[in-house]
Amino acid sequence: DSGVTQTPKHLITATGQRVTLRCSPRSGDLSVYWYQQSLDQGLQFLIHYYNGEERAKGNILERFSAQQFPDLHSELNLSSLELGDSALYFCASSNDPKTNYGYTFGSGTRLTVV
Amino acid sequence: EDQVTQSPEALRLQEGESSSLNCSYTVSGLRGLFWYRQDPGKGPEFLFTLYSAGEEKEKERLKATLTKKESFLHITAPKPEDSATYLCAVRRQAGTALIFGKGTTLSVSS
Repeated sequence: DSGVTQTPKHLITATGQRVTLRCSPRSGDLSVYWYQQSLDQGLQFLIHYYNGEERAKGNILERFSAQQFPDLHSELNLSSLELGDSALYFCASSNDPKTNYGYTFGSGTRLTVV
Repeated sequence: EDQVTQSPEALRLQEGESSSLNCSYTVSGLRGLFWYRQDPGKGPEFLFTLYSAGEEKEKERLKATLTKKESFLHITAPKPEDSATYLCAVRRQAGTALIFGKGTTLSVSS
């Protein structure tokens, strides 16, 4: 157990729907990062939050949004889902946005859009 | 544009057969090169961080090295339990997000 908790582990939904993925970072970590992993693209950075504030955006679609709450957990909202959004979504945390020790990843949420 | 390229995409080894995985990168102002291991259906697990050319890190059968343009992950006398996908990532000077390569999938058979 890495200490980063993601729920749900699996999600199957239909095109056009909206889903919310949840992440609880490791105790003491203020930064949360969201990544999308698909077979052809590898791990793609979506967005970074630090202590409730958005710090950086990567290749995140406008249909996707995220937030980090006062208790530091984070949610990634995916709307108007398309078949191509099917992927593994990972959350990672660190205790410093400039840490040189890398991130600690959760076990991911596998999203299947049918 | 920042880029990380890993080769080969897949590697099959016999138990005990040593080899190396390559990670070549193009990034403006490297602030760390990271190696992760990922098992199927799980999140990446941190292995090493390298900061400057010439640096080396070791952990059990794994040894990571860094030059100005690439990094190698050397696997000495691998065992079946070393089978996994190995990911390389870099951090730019100005940002904090890691940029990942697509990984090398290693299979070690007994």
